[in-house]
Amino acid sequence: DIQMTQSPPTLSASAGDRVTITCRASQSISSWLAWYQQKPGKAPKLLIYKASSLESGVPSRFSGSGSGTEFTLTISSLQPDDFATYYCQHYNIFSTFGQGTKVEI
Amino acid sequence: QVQLVESGGGVVQPGGSLRLFCAASGFTFSNYGIHWVRQAPGKGLEWVAFIRYDGSNKYYADSVKGRFTISRDNSKNTLYLQMNSLRAEDTAVYYCAKEGGPGYCSSTSCRYFDYWGQGTLVTVSS
Repeated sequence: DIQMTQSPPTLSASAGDRVTITCRASQSISSWLAWYQQKPGKAPKLLIYKASSLESGVPSRFSGSGSGTEFTLTISSLQPDDFATYYCQHYNIFSTFGQGTKVEI
Repeated sequence: QVQLVESGGGVVQPGGSLRLFCAASGFTFSNYGIHWVRQAPGKGLEWVAFIRYDGSNKYYADSVKGRFTISRDNSKNTLYLQMNSLRAEDTAVYYCAKEGGPGYCSSTSCRYFDYWGQGTLVTVSS
């Protein structure tokens, strides 16, 4: 089974900061990686798919990069609405999620 | 607009059964594969099951294989999850999620989740 490891588990930041979250796969997953944002009590929201494709309607301050085993989600200038938990997902028929990264003040 | 609405959650005793529903609208349901994903209280996301757009293939996480059954009725735009032999560790919010892409997908390229329901809580406790 492919394991997905996110880091850091928690990230303290301020509005306007550039933030980077890393996701590592236990073996190559090509570019089959998505990023989601989840706020408390809400369903996850798709931000990025195929490692770097921005979902329609998602602000351009979000970007994704990487392929193979190492991926990053970058928020270029953190906004108050961005404080949330972020998950990476290796998708296939059988999906695997990372443990999540909580972005807090 | 795309909507997925889960229902059927509740409190059930260990060893009991429950059937979850996911009512879809705003898109051609029969064109898309649908997944169930769960989230235990305070924990991360766990993929549970997937059914192809035509119901021809079904896949399960090892943690639920043999106990849970995913199915769909494309004439009713509804997805189901029959959960049997429930355990305390099955306690979670259960989400249904639509796969992305243009529809009729048979490849990895569309297996991400572009829309999610609001979730339904299942509590397994005596």
